[in-house]
Amino acid sequence: NAGVMQNPRHLVRRRGQEARLRCSPMKGHSHVYWYRQLPEEGLKFMVYLQKENIIDESGMPKERFSAEFPKEGPSILRIQQVVRGDSAAYFCASSPVDNEQFFGPGTRLTVL
Amino acid sequence: AQSVTQLDSQVPVFEEAPVELRCNYSSSVSVYLFWYVQYPNQGLQLLLKYLSGSTLVKGINGFEAEFNKSQTSFHLRKPSVHISDTAEYFCAVSSGGSNYKLTFGKGTLLTVNP
Repeated sequence: NAGVMQNPRHLVRRRGQEARLRCSPMKGHSHVYWYRQLPEEGLKFMVYLQKENIIDESGMPKERFSAEFPKEGPSILRIQQVVRGDSAAYFCASSPVDNEQFFGPGTRLTVL
Repeated sequence: AQSVTQLDSQVPVFEEAPVELRCNYSSSVSVYLFWYVQYPNQGLQLLLKYLSGSTLVKGINGFEAEFNKSQTSFHLRKPSVHISDTAEYFCAVSSGGSNYKLTFGKGTLLTVNP
């Protein structure tokens, strides 16, 4: 059973461009969480999704950030008009019905 | 609201020495507690978790942690560390129910020296 997949592993964008981060959960997992890790800080919760539904987006910035988890395909975290402060590692985690979350390797976003 | 405090940002130890990484939490509801390990440029791996039952929890790689409700602590211990244990360790809490989002501490960098 493959683990949580994230791509790309590294992403470089210039200010003002869009960033799309993808997360494929483990087989059989219908819950996806996104977290952001800023340099020398712990992970901060961003959004919790189930298939086709956003359950909790209390950690998402109000503007430029959006997330989806369609019926088919990976979960997408989209950042529009990126700024230097968006540079961070973005981690996706998936879980089955219970509460153990399995983390992907992360996408490291660098905004020039 | 929940919060997690990891009291030490860095812990240097010598190989084969014991180690304790401290974690305190605050929450107004019952919690589930976790310790994760992160190796450089990798994702997080679950070391152990406390959901209910025995307050002494054993995890992978010889780690264990004890849940102390009165002190709101969940300290991680290992009796004898190896060079390969060098990594960042994160304590996390969730309240369960229908939303298991994790609240993390800022992490403790454990460095094991020969």
